[in-house]
Amino acid sequence: DAGVTQSPTHLIKTRGQQVTLRCSPKSGHDTVSWYQQALGQGPQFIFQYYEEEERQRGNFPDRFSGHQFPNYSSELNVNALLLGDSALYLCASSRPAQETQYFGPGTRLLVL
Amino acid sequence: KQEVTQIPAALSVPEGENLVLNCSFTDSAIYNLQWFRQDPGKGLTSLLLIQSSQREQTSGRLNASLDKSSGRSTLYIAASQPGDSATYLCAVEGGSEKLVFGKGTKLTVNP
Repeated sequence: DAGVTQSPTHLIKTRGQQVTLRCSPKSGHDTVSWYQQALGQGPQFIFQYYEEEERQRGNFPDRFSGHQFPNYSSELNVNALLLGDSALYLCASSRPAQETQYFGPGTRLLVL
Repeated sequence: KQEVTQIPAALSVPEGENLVLNCSFTDSAIYNLQWFRQDPGKGLTSLLLIQSSQREQTSGRLNASLDKSSGRSTLYIAASQPGDSATYLCAVEGGSEKLVFGKGTKLTVNP
């Protein structure tokens, strides 16, 4: 059983560009959450998707958007990249009423 | 707004030592608390989850306690090993499945 997978593993972009990160949840999971982890910090909640809709959102600007597909996989899109967007982006999946979230290995984004 | 603080930020111990990592949170209305391990540049591995109605959880050499009323949790690691070297993160959930994390404690266990 594959766990949570994310692609790509690493990405380098320049300021102003747009980026798309992808996540496939653990088998049987239908809820996907995205987190941003800056260097030396704990992960910060970006948003959560369930039934192809954004269910809740953290304190991130509209430049951060997402999507969930019918197969429960998800994308995180970031527009107009800033240097401060450089971070490890983590995806986590879960099932309703199941407390433990399973995290993927993350995508490391570097914005130059 | 929930805030999670972890002390110390870094800890270096000799192999075999027992140690305690601390986590505090400002809003006691939590659904559960989790301890995660993160190896450098990697994702998170869940170690222990404590429901708000529970006082502690144990897994092998790890024991986590929760005092919800005082907003504190501790992670106890017995007989530490070099393989325990990692960053340990504490996170609380307020029932919305959104985790609020501390900044972590970076543990180094020296052979």
